[in-house]
Amino acid sequence: GDSVTQMEGPVTLSEEAFLTINCTYTATGYPSLFWYVQYPGEGLQLLLKATKADDKGSNKGFEATYRKETTSFHLEKGSVQVSDSAVYFCALRGGSYIPTFGRGTSLIVHP
Amino acid sequence: NAGVTQTPKFQVLKTGQSMTLQCAQDMNHEYMSWYRQDPGMGLRLIHYSVGAGITDQGEVPNGYNVSRSTTEDFPLRLLSAAPSQTSVYFCASSYDFRPGSGATEAFFGQGTRLTVV
Repeated sequence: GDSVTQMEGPVTLSEEAFLTINCTYTATGYPSLFWYVQYPGEGLQLLLKATKADDKGSNKGFEATYRKETTSFHLEKGSVQVSDSAVYFCALRGGSYIPTFGRGTSLIVHP
Repeated sequence: NAGVTQTPKFQVLKTGQSMTLQCAQDMNHEYMSWYRQDPGMGLRLIHYSVGAGITDQGEVPNGYNVSRSTTEDFPLRLLSAAPSQTSVYFCASSYDFRPGSGATEAFFGQGTRLTVV
């Protein structure tokens, strides 16, 4: 079945540092890939998505590129802020209508 | 546009009590689902529905019931609460559930934090 593996956290960074959160997936066919963000006390919300190979999703300074050859969708941001502190979930939606989520990676950004 | 609304936000139950977690969406989404979120476990799917009158079990359905009488509402019922059901519960919906429509993202409610004592 489909699966998503993302790096375990927490990831702790200083403000303005570069962020990478790794995500790899296993799926049949050509899934769509997503990053969701969960701020403290809130539900998940879509951060960005990509629907086909080599697509780059971007939003709020975050980027991720759909790499079919390495089955990866790593999340990056050039300069994180304290307000980026949250839990980040990688997810895919393939042939099934049920999306598959990773376990989430907690990001803590210090001033 | 309210999106996905969950009530209540917080609830404390005694072991053995029953209750219903409410979920409503105003986006005319066909697909709705319930997850529980526990530390270190990520999101686990409890039940889901692909339309009014159609429900199915997810990964962890035991102890929970659902029904879908309208497109808008998808309540989750705890039959006899147990401490193991202490968790944060999220309802989610999406527009198109058909295989191959993968670009459709999920919209989540704010969550219900449930404590069973």
